[in-house]
Amino acid sequence: GQSLEQPSEVTAVEGAIVQINCTYQTSGFYGLSWYQQHDGGAPTFLSYNALDGLEETGRFSSFLSRSDSYGYLLLQELQMKDSASYFCAVSSNTGKLIFGQGTTLQVKP
Amino acid sequence: DGGITQSPKYLFRKEGQNVTLSCEQNLNHDAMYWYRQDPGQGLRLIYYSQIVNDFQKGDIAEGYSVSREKKESFPLTVTSAQKNPTAFYLCASSILGGTPGDTEAFFGQGTRLTVV
Repeated sequence: GQSLEQPSEVTAVEGAIVQINCTYQTSGFYGLSWYQQHDGGAPTFLSYNALDGLEETGRFSSFLSRSDSYGYLLLQELQMKDSASYFCAVSSNTGKLIFGQGTTLQVKP
Repeated sequence: DGGITQSPKYLFRKEGQNVTLSCEQNLNHDAMYWYRQDPGQGLRLIYYSQIVNDFQKGDIAEGYSVSREKKESFPLTVTSAQKNPTAFYLCASSILGGTPGDTEAFFGQGTRLTVV
């Protein structure tokens, strides 16, 4: 089967840097993606990694190590509006897109 | 504007009744997905479809049914067999589900189903 693990909660202060880790187990792995969801809203896509290394998109970066079945989302210069839930998701040759349990990020002033 | 639309936003039903949630996309995406989200929890896959007239069970398919008669539409029926149907239901689509080139899923705004 497929499974993902990520921390349930992370707290940081405005302007800081925070890293949200994700480990996964799957066969036929294609890629790891990250989504943001604000309370009551729909998830929105942040990033996707298919190859090892770091992908940077503005204040957000995502990293993947295929050999370690591990990735992380790095958020820099945290803002209050970054308070949300963050999900990692794995895609594979099964056609499924499987999500982790989510990490709630609380940004404090 | 292209997008994915779920309706209704809120739905109330009596216990024992079947209910169908609508999901329509005009993004010309091949793949569509249904997820269930309970408070403070992640997204659990109910059903997914990679092509018209074909769909597969996800991790929690019991008590649910779907159809994919058109590329644009992927309705979900919550049947009376679903023991705890009250939840937030999210529909998503992606260009080429199940392929290495499929990188991003787009979500509808969700339907919040309450069974009383």
